[in-house]
Amino acid sequence: QSALTQPASVSGSPGQSITISCTGTSSDVGGYNYVSWYQHHPGKAPKLMIYAVGNRPSGVPDRFSGSKSGNTASLTISGLQAEDEADYYCSSYTSSSPYVFGTGTKVTVL
Amino acid sequence: QVQLLESGGALVKPGGSLRLSCAGSGFIFSDYYMNWIRQAPGKGLEWVSYISNSGSTIFYADSVKGRFTISRDNAKNSLYLQMNSLRAEDTAVYYCATERLRYFDHWGQGTLVTVSS
Repeated sequence: QSALTQPASVSGSPGQSITISCTGTSSDVGGYNYVSWYQHHPGKAPKLMIYAVGNRPSGVPDRFSGSKSGNTASLTISGLQAEDEADYYCSSYTSSSPYVFGTGTKVTVL
Repeated sequence: QVQLLESGGALVKPGGSLRLSCAGSGFIFSDYYMNWIRQAPGKGLEWVSYISNSGSTIFYADSVKGRFTISRDNAKNSLYLQMNSLRAEDTAVYYCATERLRYFDHWGQGTLVTVSS
């Protein structure tokens, strides 16, 4: 099972919006509505930000939103804040593995 | 609140064995599916293994199949990962995580496993 493809880095200024893509195949992202997103500050426990494509757990700011089109899922951060600087990973249920993570995206707040 | 605490990480020689533990608290451990996920230095997250709440269903990533064994003791609120025939590429921080409906909702802080001679 190959990792889902994410851009290595994305950056934006405070207050701007950024979008991180997560591309898979019809056997994972495209085949199931089980895409989730995680925020990871180095040295800390990863944190669930989005589950089931576009659902936010309680406590996650509504600046974070998720969507999916075909084999590509996306995480959008609106109104970027300094504390959003972190690594972000997507994950999907798959027909084989049963789970696969994305390659990870480093978000930098300029 | 939900807490997960991994332990057992250490420096081990190639070919050696290690057993990781994950202690859960603040939730009904026996209600949750559990997973091990790892992150090698400078790399991304990699799913390693899954166990159902009863322990009856288990899955492994191809990279560890035949070498690693996941288990749990619901009476002790604990999850385990027995790692045998360790390789340099198994060097990573290992996280345990609870699972709900195909996503990982709570994670521990991780324990470092280093495989080196």
